[in-house]
Amino acid sequence: DADVTQTPRNRITKTGKRIMLECSQTKGHDRMYWYRQDPGLGLRLIYYSFDVKDINKGEISDGYSVSRQAQAKFSLSLESAIPNQTALYFCATSASGSYEQYFGPGTRLTVT
Amino acid sequence: AQSVTQLGSHVSVSEGALVLLRCNYSSSVPPYLFWYVQYPNQGLQLLLKYTSAATLVKGINGFEAEFKKSETSFHLTKPSAHMSDAAEYFCAVSDPLGGGGNKLTFGTGTQLKVEL
Repeated sequence: DADVTQTPRNRITKTGKRIMLECSQTKGHDRMYWYRQDPGLGLRLIYYSFDVKDINKGEISDGYSVSRQAQAKFSLSLESAIPNQTALYFCATSASGSYEQYFGPGTRLTVT
Repeated sequence: AQSVTQLGSHVSVSEGALVLLRCNYSSSVPPYLFWYVQYPNQGLQLLLKYTSAATLVKGINGFEAEFKKSETSFHLTKPSAHMSDAAEYFCAVSDPLGGGGNKLTFGTGTQLKVEL
């Protein structure tokens, strides 16, 4: 079984809809991250969490929110989706004190 | 703030030829450096990492990278390309002072194409 899972893997939604992307991990890591990937732009950090009580904004947090429901679960929400949020979204985890990050398979989101 | 530059968004090589993917970082203090690979429809997988030990780092699938402080570079190489190496490769840099939650800053990626 995969260590970092993301659901759904693909999603098409309409402008203005609320959508949640979910991430779960079995690696026992404290730290979790949400990135978006756009062609030619690499990966950009949306939010990151040190633990359940510690959530921090990344470089592109506007229009997004997150929830760390448990050590193993970190969800990303788009309160009112817009077309320029169409992207590939990745969840990642790392152990406290380590820079090595482990990635989920990604969620491809299309906002029409 | 840390930054990383990958020269060449697309690189094409023949099967059996040398692979060279370039990565330069900007930092006044040597950071930790990483190369990740992304195969189609998959997440990122760690290829190798530099964490201030040996400057020549060997990774999976025959890849290696050399940390050169004087050139602020961490180029990825493989002596002989294989068709299965076709993927997108990302260089990433950490904050060496440890602040910011172990964040990584990623380059914009290099798409490697391997031709027969």
